[in-house]
Amino acid sequence: GAVVSQHPSWVICKSGTSVKIECRSLDFQATTMFWYRQFPKQSLMLMATSNEGSKATYEQGVEKDKFLINHASLTLSTLTVTSAHPEDSSFYICSALPTGGKTEAFFGQGTRLTVV
Amino acid sequence: DAKTTQPPSMDCAEGRAANLPCNHSTISGNEYVYWYRQIHSQGPQYIIHGLKNNETNEMASLIITEDRKSSTLILPHATLRDTAVYYCIVRVWSGGSNYKLTFGKGTLLTVNP
Repeated sequence: GAVVSQHPSWVICKSGTSVKIECRSLDFQATTMFWYRQFPKQSLMLMATSNEGSKATYEQGVEKDKFLINHASLTLSTLTVTSAHPEDSSFYICSALPTGGKTEAFFGQGTRLTVV
Repeated sequence: DAKTTQPPSMDCAEGRAANLPCNHSTISGNEYVYWYRQIHSQGPQYIIHGLKNNETNEMASLIITEDRKSSTLILPHATLRDTAVYYCIVRVWSGGSNYKLTFGKGTLLTVNP
């Protein structure tokens, strides 16, 4: 149980285009989901916290107009990287916090984004 | 936010216990300690968490000092597949019923044959 799936696992896109990454909790509902970014040989950096049915809360320094987050249901959150640039190339990871009960968050397998 | 300090790397022989330390001297009374690990190019995997009592599950044991300023994650019989970066994290409330997990640099544990 407690599986979080991200799609796609990897994506290559051209500069200036937008890319959408999906994060699904497969066997539980998640009121809260988190989005992280990880550059090579670095730790995970929290980008934003999304709550179902409300606006996401972004960490300081993260552009909300560039990284659009939607959490329209209790099992799905999406991150859209708009007008992608090569410096946006990174490993994007989501995690989901089960609604009620368990207090640990579960992570997806990550999405490798390469902007060329 | 409570911060954690971990050694950047550790080695352990296969079959031996791996003891990973973590300092969190500024932790508040209601903040939990969580441990996750990340194997290369994968998402983090939950290991264990605790508040003030020692905890044990099928993966590991968590020993928290009485003053809660430090903790140790114990993998009782390390295997090669336990080679990963281990993160000790203090869960911080971010308002309402929400919390967030802020990752530090972690400890790269290398299990050697």
